[in-house]
Amino acid sequence: AAGVIQSPRHLIKEKRETATLKCYPIPRHDTVYWYQQGPGQDPQFLISFYEKMQSDKGSIPDRFSAQQFSDYHSELNMSSLELGDSALYFCASSPGQGAEAFFGQGTRLTVV
Amino acid sequence: AQSVSQHNHHVILSEAASLELGCNYSYGGTVNLFWYVQYPGQHLQLLLKYFSGDPLVKGIKGFEAEFIKSKFSFNLRKPSVQWSDTAEYFCAVNAHIQAGTALIFGKGTTLSVSS
Repeated sequence: AAGVIQSPRHLIKEKRETATLKCYPIPRHDTVYWYQQGPGQDPQFLISFYEKMQSDKGSIPDRFSAQQFSDYHSELNMSSLELGDSALYFCASSPGQGAEAFFGQGTRLTVV
Repeated sequence: AQSVSQHNHHVILSEAASLELGCNYSYGGTVNLFWYVQYPGQHLQLLLKYFSGDPLVKGIKGFEAEFIKSKFSFNLRKPSVQWSDTAEYFCAVNAHIQAGTALIFGKGTTLSVSS
């Protein structure tokens, strides 16, 4: 069965650089979520999209932005990277309101 | 806004011991409830979910959870744990607000099972 695909799996960036993370949801899923998970932490909700429109917003820094494209894939753009941005970034997709979220393998971002 | 509280930060058990992990949520309206598991270095995987109906739900790998509406609780149980259950367990809640409403996670419980 198709799963949520995230790319890249690993990314190393220097401070003040930019990064773009990509997420390809499961086909026919209408909702995409982005989460940030620091070492030993719980997943922190960043932002979500429903049918390509931003739906809910969590603790996403102003330096970050995200969008969902016409083919339903989503990108998380991160600028002016800081050391504290080093984390695992998960994307998840869901087939409907309140339904379970299926998570991708994550992108491990390391800022040096 | 909804929130989730998990009572146990770290639980250490021997194989074959019984497990119960506590989870309480705060939200006055209708919610869907989930337990996710994260094995070391892996992504989150769904263990079980509650939407409506029978408050006792069964999930994969012998796990079950009971929704008690009056207590806003959704505790996870397993009668006999195995070494392979060593992982991080997250309770999560999704409020029925609108499509795309965030799935909010608790802080997680680390389960260590010794053989």
